[in-house]
This record gives sequence, structure tokens and C-alpha cells, in this order.
Amino acid sequence: AQTVTQSQPEMSVQEAETVTLSCTYDTSESDYYLFWYKQPPSRQMILVIRQEAYKQQNATENRFSVNFQKAAKSFSLKISDSQLGDAAMYFCAYRRGGTGNQFYFGTGTSLTVIP
Amino acid sequence: DAGVIQSPRHEVTEMGQEVTLRCKPISGHDYLFWYRQTMMRGLELLIYFNNNVPIDDSGMPEDRFSAKMPNASFSTLKIQPSEPRDSAVYFCASSLVPTGTGNTIYFGEGSWLTVV
Repeated sequence: AQTVTQSQPEMSVQEAETVTLSCTYDTSESDYYLFWYKQPPSRQMILVIRQEAYKQQNATENRFSVNFQKAAKSFSLKISDSQLGDAAMYFCAYRRGGTGNQFYFGTGTSLTVIP
Repeated sequence: DAGVIQSPRHEVTEMGQEVTLRCKPISGHDYLFWYRQTMMRGLELLIYFNNNVPIDDSGMPEDRFSAKMPNASFSTLKIQPSEPRDSAVYFCASSLVPTGTGNTIYFGEGSWLTVV
């Protein structure tokens, strides 16, 4: 089975600074998708960014970007110009391409933003 | 388009009572997932459906849990009888077939269950 590992249970960052959250995954597949979800205290799961494995270019969404290292099976999330509203739990997730495939989530990283 | 809709948002029930959680996936989505989230175990996949058919229910804790999807726009997760250890946030989520861009999973707001 695929596994997703987030080795940082907690991280903190000063407001306006940059922080990187780590994620590694294990797979033998070539067609797959990677995601970062944000879960604020409200518990709503919000998609932050996604990456298709076949794309070499790293995905970017405003202040959020990823560093996708396919050979290393690494998928880190960089948050630039951190804001207080970025404080949340962040989950990395993996999904194999094709039909009948579930999502695999990491254990999450709790991000604190210090004013 | 409306997102995934779950009800109830919050429920407090007594041990031994039956609990039914409801979910309306995003229209047109082929996949529906039920997840449970607790502090101790994190996010756990309980079961998922593809075109209303249960594909993998290996995450269902025990026989007290059951899930149905009678049609493409409705699913239920039932716990009978409920126990305090079932207290958690239950998420329903849906997605299209994971090809191309149709691969993102969209979550509902969750149903907060407390069993006393």
C-alpha cells in the first residue's frame, strides 16, 4: 500500500516569513497525483495545491508553491509571506491515477504563525 | 456548484443510540468517501464508493458501522449502537475519476459526533 509521511508534527513561522513543510511518499506507480490540504480550527478540509506526477513544473498557487522531487519521492510545501490565517493543520495526500483508487493522507503538520 | 453537504453538523447522543450521518456529494462525482478524524488516529478512511458501489470497506471499525449509497446523490453512515469511542469528526468527500484534472477530493464540513 502507498504511504505518505509527514515527519514534522509541528512547525512555527514568524509572520511574513517563509516556511517549508515536508512530505515524502512511497509508490511504485508512475501515474499519480499529490495534494496539500489545509485544515483550520473549523476542521474544514481545504485544498491548497495539487501536482500531477507527469508534470515536471512545480505547482504554484499565489503564496503557496511545491518542490516536487519525483525521483526522491518528495513533495514539500512552501508558504511565502506567512499570514496569521495560514495557521492550521496541513495534510499531504497521494492518489494513484486510474479508476478505483483512494486517497492516502499523511499524519499532518500543525503550523503556528507567530505575530 | 454546491460543495459536499453533510448533516448533521453536530450531534450529541447517548451511548447505545443509533446515529445516522448523511452526505450529498457534488453532482456528477463518481467517488464518495467517508473519513473519520480523531486526535489519536488522525484521518482514517472508513469506506469509499465508486458509482454507488462500495469498493473498499476495510476501514470500517466493526459491525456497528454500516454505510449505504442508494443513489448517486446520497449516502449514509450509520452507527448502531453508538459508543463513546465513536466520538469524532466524520467527513464525507467526493471526487471524479482520478484522471487528468478530475482527481481532487472535495470534503464536506464534517459531522461532529459526541457520544456520552
